[in-house]
Amino acid sequence: GAVVSQHPSWVICKSGTSVKIECRSLDFQATTMFWYRQFPKQSLMLMATSNEGSKATYEQGVEKDKFLINHASLTLSTLTVTSAHPEDSSFYICSASPVHNYGYTFGSGTRLTVV
Amino acid sequence: DQQVKQNSPSLSVQEGRISILNCDYTNSMFDYFLWYKKYPAEGPTFLISISSIKDKNEDGRFTVFLNKSAKHLSLHIVPSQPGDSAVYFCAASEGGSEKLVFGKGMKLTVNP
Repeated sequence: GAVVSQHPSWVICKSGTSVKIECRSLDFQATTMFWYRQFPKQSLMLMATSNEGSKATYEQGVEKDKFLINHASLTLSTLTVTSAHPEDSSFYICSASPVHNYGYTFGSGTRLTVV
Repeated sequence: DQQVKQNSPSLSVQEGRISILNCDYTNSMFDYFLWYKKYPAEGPTFLISISSIKDKNEDGRFTVFLNKSAKHLSLHIVPSQPGDSAVYFCAASEGGSEKLVFGKGMKLTVNP
């Protein structure tokens, strides 16, 4: 149980375009999901907390107008990278947990390359 | 300012021997600690966790030790297997928060 599906697994886009990444909890409902970003050889950095039915909570330094998060249902959160630039190229990962059990399940990640 | 530190970027051990992965933290409010294993281009997989009310938690070949006074925890894998080769992340949270703070990770290589 507790499977999180993330799509797409990789995407290449042109500078200036927008890219949407989906995170789905397949067998449980998640009122909260988390979006992380990982730079090469660096830690997973929390970008934002996605809250079902309300606005996402962004970490300091993360541009909320650039990284749009929508959590419209209990099983789906989306991250849209708007007007992407090469510096946005990174590995984006979502996570969710069915209850407050801290054994968070992560999606498989999305490798974004902006050219 | 890194609140969770994994100071050694890599570790190489022989199959069958013990692997010891270390993690230090600076935030004394952290009360829950987790270890994740990650393969390239995949999301992390939860391994084992420990609450600050304990000093040891064991699950099969994996044991996590917590030394609160030293703000230090370690993951022991014994015996190590080639399939354990991956990057291991230490993570922490505080006060019931669902937010996790990760270390930079450590690459473990287990040689046959």
